[in-house]
Amino acid sequence: NAGVTQTPKFQVLKTGQSMTLQCAQDMNHNSMYWYRQDPGMGLRLIYYSASEGTTDKGEVPNGYNVSRLNKREFSLRLESAAPSQTSVYFCASTLRDSNQPQHFGDGTRLSIL
Amino acid sequence: AQSVTQLDSQVPVFEEAPVELRCNYSSSVSVYLFWYVQYPNQGLQLLLKYLSGSTLVKSINGFEAEFNKSQTSFHLRKPSVHISDTAEYFCAVSGGGGSNYKLTFGKGTLLTVNP
Repeated sequence: NAGVTQTPKFQVLKTGQSMTLQCAQDMNHNSMYWYRQDPGMGLRLIYYSASEGTTDKGEVPNGYNVSRLNKREFSLRLESAAPSQTSVYFCASTLRDSNQPQHFGDGTRLSIL
Repeated sequence: AQSVTQLDSQVPVFEEAPVELRCNYSSSVSVYLFWYVQYPNQGLQLLLKYLSGSTLVKSINGFEAEFNKSQTSFHLRKPSVHISDTAEYFCAVSGGGGSNYKLTFGKGTLLTVNP
């Protein structure tokens, strides 16, 4: 079972470059999320998609855009990367109800020089 | 709004010792509570969850957590830890204040089990 698949696993960018992080789930989940994880900060929600066709800002959306391409895929785009966006990015998905746990991918480790 | 406080950023213990990782939350409405574990260079995995019913919930690998509504706590315990339990543990809450689809995470507790 693949679960939640994120690509790429590692990436190094230069300041100002753009990049799209890909996420796909095969569990027929309705809701998908993008988080960033920084040391001592826990996970912070960047954007989420409660269902196909909808997206909403989370706690730290500045500098990012998202696309819910279909029910399976949810991408995160950095239009002009900044060193402050160096982080580990996690995608997650869940059934619609709030009492269902989220399933996480293995993360994308992004460094911006 | 809801929030989660994990009171210890790091907890070092010796193998076979008991451990408690503390978690307090704030919310004005009923919540669902979760503990996730993250092993090095991996994503988060669900360890256990409290949705309703019995306030004591258990995982398959010996961890347990007790929901205490009056103290707004959901502390994680294990009576005897193993080296393999070394990981970062995150407490999370959802379901409160109109944010039904979003989890709010604590900042994590790094559990290090030493031989």
